[in-house]
Amino acid sequence: EAQVTQNPRYLITVTGKKLTVTCSQNMNHEYMSWYRQDPGLGLRQIYYSMNVEVTDKGDVPEGYKVSRKEKRNFPLILESPSPNQTSLYFCASSWAVSGANVLTFGAGSRLTVL
Amino acid sequence: AQSVAQPEDQVNVAEGNPLTVKCTYSVSGNPYLFWYVQYPNRGLQFLLKYITGDNLVKGSYGFEAEFNKSQTSFHLKKPSALVSDSALYFCAVVGSQGNLIFGKGTKLSVKP
Repeated sequence: EAQVTQNPRYLITVTGKKLTVTCSQNMNHEYMSWYRQDPGLGLRQIYYSMNVEVTDKGDVPEGYKVSRKEKRNFPLILESPSPNQTSLYFCASSWAVSGANVLTFGAGSRLTVL
Repeated sequence: AQSVAQPEDQVNVAEGNPLTVKCTYSVSGNPYLFWYVQYPNRGLQFLLKYITGDNLVKGSYGFEAEFNKSQTSFHLKKPSALVSDSALYFCAVVGSQGNLIFGKGTKLSVKP
């Protein structure tokens, strides 16, 4: 089944404890992206990657890092999480960044930072 | 500035009645427009898109959307709502860098 898989789905952590949210897609997509969803704010893009070893900042990149060493994986790294990073996170992928392509989303990762 | 506005936080509809979820956009040039739906505890799913051509676009689950260039709108519609249509709906437009810009979402509640 074609899908985007995120782990963990739920995580409670404490301020300052580094964590990684993994994202993997099995569709050979070139484009991958991370979003955070907050009530009243919709989805905001954190980082995106157009291909292996190519990453770029989205609208809200502060406090996050990403890497794209393999085509299928695009982990989101929070080096020192803070409570304002408590949110619902989505990874998504598509064939390319060009506008007509449809994004396939993962099921989401709900992160709570205490 | 490129943006998408969904003016209603919530839309309430009785089952069997028609529904409309509103979306307006601001982008230079010809817009690429999308609707996605998010069911509880799930990721977003693609419903439909407008790239070019017919202003009325048909999508999944009986939904359709009407592109209106003069009003810069892309409203989502369905002739007869189902309780199972209750979800969060996002309108999105492709920005100048090719990335999707999402609206804040509209919660659709369909009551029996």
